[in-house]
Amino acid sequence: DAGVIQSPRHEVTEMGQEVTLRCKPISGHDYLFWYRQTMMRGLELLIYFNNNVPIDDSGMPEDRFSAKMPNASFSTLKIQPSEPRDSAVYFCASSLGVDTQYFGPGTRLTVL
Amino acid sequence: AQKITQTQPGMFVQEKEAVTLDCTYDTSDQSYGLFWYKQPSSGEMIFLIYQGSYDEQNATEGRYSLNFQKARKSANLVISASQLGDSAMYFCAMIPRSNDYKLSFGAGTTVTVRA
Repeated sequence: DAGVIQSPRHEVTEMGQEVTLRCKPISGHDYLFWYRQTMMRGLELLIYFNNNVPIDDSGMPEDRFSAKMPNASFSTLKIQPSEPRDSAVYFCASSLGVDTQYFGPGTRLTVL
Repeated sequence: AQKITQTQPGMFVQEKEAVTLDCTYDTSDQSYGLFWYKQPSSGEMIFLIYQGSYDEQNATEGRYSLNFQKARKSANLVISASQLGDSAMYFCAMIPRSNDYKLSFGAGTTVTVRA
């Protein structure tokens, strides 16, 4: 079975550019989560969806961040415009109900 | 809000020995789930083991076992017969079974296995 798939694995961009991170959850999972990991703040939950509907986006840093889930097999996290302080590893995870969350490999974002 | 505390930032263990990673948590929920994840240097987050707050027996998964002490709000991970491949960062996490399905993570413990 395929796990959570994220793309790209690495992204290097310049300040001010738009960045789009993509995620394909495990088939059949009804929850999808976006996390950010930094040395300073550890793992932070940004937003999560249930059945494609955003449930809690209180962790989204600011309006420059947006996330969508147009269908059960695809989600995007967009940063526009990007800033150097957005540099981090972004993880997508999915779960079936409140069961175990399975993480994707992450996207390492560097904003110059 | 849930709080997860991992007091050991780093640990060294000799190959083939057992190691215990400490985790304490603070929650007002009666029903919750506890998890341990492994993050090797390659960066992925790997699920290791799960313990439900109402589970009467401690969870085990191969060489991993969870020493769950509910009254003390403690969920320590025990890795038996350490291998070089166990060198990684280990995160304790908790999710309440209330309406809030947010997984809260501890700061992590780095384990280095010596040959």
